Amino acid sequence: DVKVTQSSRYLVKRTGEKVFLECVQDMDHENMFWYRQDPGLGLRLIYFSYDVKMKEKGDIPEGYSVSREKKERFSLILESASTNQTSMYLCASSPPGGRDEQFFGPGTRLTVL
Amino acid sequence: DQQVKQNSPSLSVQEGRISILNCDYTNSMFDYFLWYKKYPAEGPTFLISISSIKDKNEDGRFTVFLNKSAKHLSLHIVPSQPGDSAVYFCAAALNTGFQKLVFGTGTRLLVSP
Repeated sequence: DVKVTQSSRYLVKRTGEKVFLECVQDMDHENMFWYRQDPGLGLRLIYFSYDVKMKEKGDIPEGYSVSREKKERFSLILESASTNQTSMYLCASSPPGGRDEQFFGPGTRLTVL
Repeated sequence: DQQVKQNSPSLSVQEGRISILNCDYTNSMFDYFLWYKKYPAEGPTFLISISSIKDKNEDGRFTVFLNKSAKHLSLHIVPSQPGDSAVYFCAAALNTGFQKLVFGTGTRLLVSP
């Protein structure tokens, strides 16, 4: 069964902290994505990766960076967390090509105080 | 600039009746559309999709209709069940050979017994 896991379900951090969100998929998918979900705004793409060590900016990359050292793992990094980064973060993966669904993890609810 | 819009934040329907969720898009280059369902504290799960070369796709109780001239798609659920209560997101993709999805803002469906 297809599985995408995220390291934490809930996370509370202080302003200015460096935050790591981890995502692991067991489907051998090439493509991986990081979104944030906010009320009234839907899901917005932060970064995506279509191969190991490759990354592309999404629609809202400011304040974030990513790392993909292994095919199954895609990390989202908040260099210096701010209160406006309080959100639900969702990781997804998909096989190569353009016509397959994305599989999502359960999400990490991040609160920045 | 919201390229994919779901203008109804919420919808209430009685069990057994039809639920119709709507989605509008502005970019005529979108050629593939998907619907996802999201329960609280879970990641979105794929529901149904449609290619721009079709105007209808059906899967059990779920049917998606696409009107390209109006840049409008809708999801019909018949009959609606209490377990369908969730947030529904429509998403659109460009034919770029890479599946970068643009999501709508979501519609919360409540099906009451």
